[in-house]
Formats: sequence, C-alpha cells, structure tokens
Amino acid sequence: NAGVTQTPKFQVLKTGQSMTLQCAQDMNHNSMYWYRQDPGMGLRLIYYSASEGTTDKGEVPNGYNVSRLNKREFSLRLESAAPSQTSVYFCASSGYRLGVTDTQYFGPGTRLTVL
Amino acid sequence: DAKTTQPPSMDCAEGRAANLPCNHSTISGNEYVYWYRQIHSQGPQYIIHGLKNNETNEMASLIITEDRKSSTLILPHATLRDTAVYYCIVRVRQSNFGNEKLTFGTGTRLTIIP
Repeated sequence: NAGVTQTPKFQVLKTGQSMTLQCAQDMNHNSMYWYRQDPGMGLRLIYYSASEGTTDKGEVPNGYNVSRLNKREFSLRLESAAPSQTSVYFCASSGYRLGVTDTQYFGPGTRLTVL
Repeated sequence: DAKTTQPPSMDCAEGRAANLPCNHSTISGNEYVYWYRQIHSQGPQYIIHGLKNNETNEMASLIITEDRKSSTLILPHATLRDTAVYYCIVRVRQSNFGNEKLTFGTGTRLTIIP
C-alpha cells in the first residue's frame, strides 16, 4: 500500500515549456486534490476532484489544467510554464467514512523550478 | 471556513510535552478542528481532529475548550523527529460527494531542542 505517489520528484523547466505532473493513489479514495506551496507559505488549493469524472477550481487555478483519468489518477498540467509557477506541488486524496469525507492524505511533492 | 491564529514559532525540550495553541474564535457549530504537520517540506501529515470532545490517538491529544474558541495540540513526549510546522485548520466535514478543501495558514514552527 503505497498511499499517494507523485512523479516526478524534481523538474526544471524553461519559461513557456509544458509538462504534466502525475499523481496516483491506491486507497480507493473518491476525492483528489492538487495544492501548491511557495517558500514560507501554507498550501493553496489549485484544483480538486470530488469524484471520478468531475473537477473543480480551487483558490489558484490560473495557468493550470487537470484531468481525473480514473479513480486512481489525477494529473496537473502546465501548458506554458511561468517563473511564478516555481513551487512545490502536492497531491492529496480523501475517502469517505460513515457518510462524510475522511481525512486527507498527501503525497511527497514535486519540486518545480521554472527559469 | 473559520480562520485560525497560531504562534509563528515555539521551542520545546526533548522528552517534555509540547503544547501548541490555536485560536479559532469564529468557529461554527458544525466545524471540526484538524491538526496536520509538515516535516522538512515533506507532504503534510494528518495528526488528529475533533469537534467538541477531547481526542487522543497514538500521536497526540487534542484539547478543545468548552466554548470551542480555542484548542491545544499536545505531543506528550516530544522527540527530535517532532520538529515540524504544525497547522491548525477548522472546517466542515462534507457529506456524500462533497470535498474536503483544507485552508492552510502559515502554522507554528515547532523546534525540539536536545
């Protein structure tokens, strides 16, 4: 049981390049999330997916797109990377217990630098 | 979701109890108090949560005041591995196909001193 996994762990991009961050969970959770964390700051929600086939914007969605490929996988795409997107990106997932959403479990993060 | 206030940093001697306070004076009746921690830029780790009763698990205890306007996370015997940023979050637990959006502040940086 690996929990939440993210690839890659590190990435350096040039301004204008595109890339996709991958996230997978093996806990059969319905909900998945993408956050970013800038130095010295708390996490901010980019997008979330409450269930397979649905996605919604979070606090800072501009410049990103997401795909909920299936129940296990939730990817984050940067179409044209900008230096302001230099950050650490965390994926998380949560399930249900007794009819309410359960606690959230986080992946190890992807450290992205945009030059 | 209600806003929380935490001290930016605290120190605690190894082996002693670490008591981390959180103020959430605008909390609503259906909002839970959650605690997460983040060790050295790893992904946040869930610690504990509660509604109005005190809670205890293998990691920590959570004490919520009777008026629910503040709470304290207690690490009973702090070790060096407990050095981390601790986040106090208050939120409603969604039912059915809702979602658990977490609003992270800047937390408390706890340093355990040998």
